[in-house]
Amino acid sequence: DQQVKQNSPSLSVQEGRISILNCDYTNSMFDYFLWYKKYPAEGPTFLISISSIKDKNEDGRFTVFLNKSAKHLSLHIVPSQPGDSAVYFCAASASTGSNYKLTFGKGTLLTVNP
Amino acid sequence: NAGVMQNPRHLVRRRGQEARLRCSPMKGHSHVYWYRQLPEEGLKFMVYLQKENIIDESGMPKERFSAEFPKEGPSILRIQQVVRGDSAAYFCASSPPPALGQPQHFGDGTRLSIL
Repeated sequence: DQQVKQNSPSLSVQEGRISILNCDYTNSMFDYFLWYKKYPAEGPTFLISISSIKDKNEDGRFTVFLNKSAKHLSLHIVPSQPGDSAVYFCAASASTGSNYKLTFGKGTLLTVNP
Repeated sequence: NAGVMQNPRHLVRRRGQEARLRCSPMKGHSHVYWYRQLPEEGLKFMVYLQKENIIDESGMPKERFSAEFPKEGPSILRIQQVVRGDSAAYFCASSPPPALGQPQHFGDGTRLSIL
């Protein structure tokens, strides 16, 4: 049972354009969401997060949007750069109970073409 | 380097041997988590430890797998009598005491290959 789903295994965009990565979740107890970026042969690097009391969080070129009613979040990267090419993982946790346990999606491979 | 350190980066074992994976958390972090990533999959939680304490091992197989985080030294994930299905990337993460808004920081992983 996959509680966090990233339905697009890959995404390709042109440099300078917007990249939009999507994530859906099924567990209504999740109230904290994170995006991690991963290069080959490296560990995931924390990018940005959002708690369920917000619907948007912005950090430089990265913005995460949360739609609680749809159980959907998205990561926007504007403008996209070739160095952004990596696998992006969406992760979620619940503040009640096991708040340390991150549940990950399978990832989306983003390729930004020069 | 103040990041999460894992070693070895690559480990090759034959079926039936033991594998030991080490993790030193980020400076100032006393909470360690182990995750496993199978090919084409996301990371799956295995175990959460504090110094000298296993807090949650619900994601770890009951047989052959064990983890520890001693008072001194790194956290160790131990896999006894390895089988082909244990081949995966094992990632360690650390954090201060878990709280909302406190992300986990990951090491670069150990790639375990079973011959």
